[in-house]
Amino acid sequence: DAKTTQPTSMDCAEGRAANLPCNHSTISGNEYVYWYRQIHSQGPQYIIHGLKNNETNEMASLIITEDRKSSTLILPHATLRDTAVYYCIVRVSAGGTSYGKLTFGQGTILTVHP
Amino acid sequence: NAGVTQTPKFQVLKTGQSMTLQCAQDMNHEYMSWYRQDPGMGLRLIHYSVGAGITDQGEVPNGYNVSRSTTEDFPLRLLSAAPSQTSVYFCASSPRVTGTLGSNQPQHFGDGTRLSIL
Repeated sequence: DAKTTQPTSMDCAEGRAANLPCNHSTISGNEYVYWYRQIHSQGPQYIIHGLKNNETNEMASLIITEDRKSSTLILPHATLRDTAVYYCIVRVSAGGTSYGKLTFGQGTILTVHP
Repeated sequence: NAGVTQTPKFQVLKTGQSMTLQCAQDMNHEYMSWYRQDPGMGLRLIHYSVGAGITDQGEVPNGYNVSRSTTEDFPLRLLSAAPSQTSVYFCASSPRVTGTLGSNQPQHFGDGTRLSIL
């Protein structure tokens, strides 16, 4: 799986958009970009994923550059409850007996302040 | 809707003891996996299963055994606990979708088992 690079930490004011970048310059054509977050003492929570098109759901938006070498997770209106570690992961799609495992790096610690 | 349930939530063991961490999911997911998370580190894959009767090793399998006799359950066994196995353990599951692109479905995680080995 391709390796990802994320900033160690970021701050964001409550109510503002949080933009979390991720570099994955060695991504392959069949690898998806996934974002998970982990709030203290809880299990990782799925946020969003995409292959090459921008994606949006009720939690966030995912912007993937045209060359797919980087992406940005956008939380449009951050709240205090969004304070967490955010993981950007690239993952081969699972198929047959191939398990599309997730490889977690260090992630970005996002702190949302009042 | 329980999702992924892990038991126990906390456990303290003595070196050399054995125990089984339980994981159950009620979503009829084919894929299940076990991760461990050490302080300040990301999650590392221990073992995984792509269906009942099929298991394989992840990146840190030593000291752990798994079995998958049913779709719902995927227990993790520590045969002889060591202090290096002190960690938080997470179980995850995801569906398998048949298709040319395979499954890109997200994984659902349990709330973890916090294990301390003295």
